[in-house]
Amino acid sequence: DIVMTQSPLSLPVTPGEPASISCRSSQSLLHSDGYNYLGWYLQKPGQSPQLLIYLGSHRASGVPDRFSGSGSGTDFTLKISRLVAEDAGVYYCMQVLQIPFTFGPGTKVDIK
Amino acid sequence: QVQLQQSGPGLVKPSQTLSVTCAISGDSVSSNDVTWDWIRQSPSRGLEWLGRIYYRSRWYIDYAQSVKSRITINPDTSKNHLSLQLISVTPEDTAVYYCARTYSHGMGVWGQGTTVTVSS
Repeated sequence: DIVMTQSPLSLPVTPGEPASISCRSSQSLLHSDGYNYLGWYLQKPGQSPQLLIYLGSHRASGVPDRFSGSGSGTDFTLKISRLVAEDAGVYYCMQVLQIPFTFGPGTKVDIK
Repeated sequence: QVQLQQSGPGLVKPSQTLSVTCAISGDSVSSNDVTWDWIRQSPSRGLEWLGRIYYRSRWYIDYAQSVKSRITINPDTSKNHLSLQLISVTPEDTAVYYCARTYSHGMGVWGQGTTVTVSS
């Protein structure tokens, strides 16, 4: 199975400040079609996870442009340009290249 | 707008069968450009992908090896829903179970989650 790791696991952020989360995979997620099969999800308290980024860098419909995904191969980053209070929650990366699909352990972002 | 509505019992006894249903609105379970996935979440195991079903002229199903001997995912085209069954459950199967719709390799729509506790 592909193992996903994230850092940091906890991230306190001041509103208006940027935030960055790193995700690493134990194998390359770069598909022969040129896309990285990596997604980012946010789970707010008491809610189901919601898709932020798919295929490494594509923002999902309705996701604010302060969210961006980058990286390739085994190293990926989710950046939030200016955090707002509603961005608090747990962020997960997930690989969909190889079955079983696997998630990272999550990064808890909370507001200072 | 696609919505997924889950239903199922909250309490299952050990060794019995866990069943959760996911009703689809705004799309078809037979849609040929999406997959329908099941994921569970527990404090001990985090988010765990369990399996998926999809239609591309015929039905395809993939399961995680960790549950492959116990899991069944079925489509019901007449009701436009999908179901998850997990047999011979133990307390380790206690989790929140989610169905999700995957399009372009992103799980863009999730059900509300079904909390299942395995206990006698």
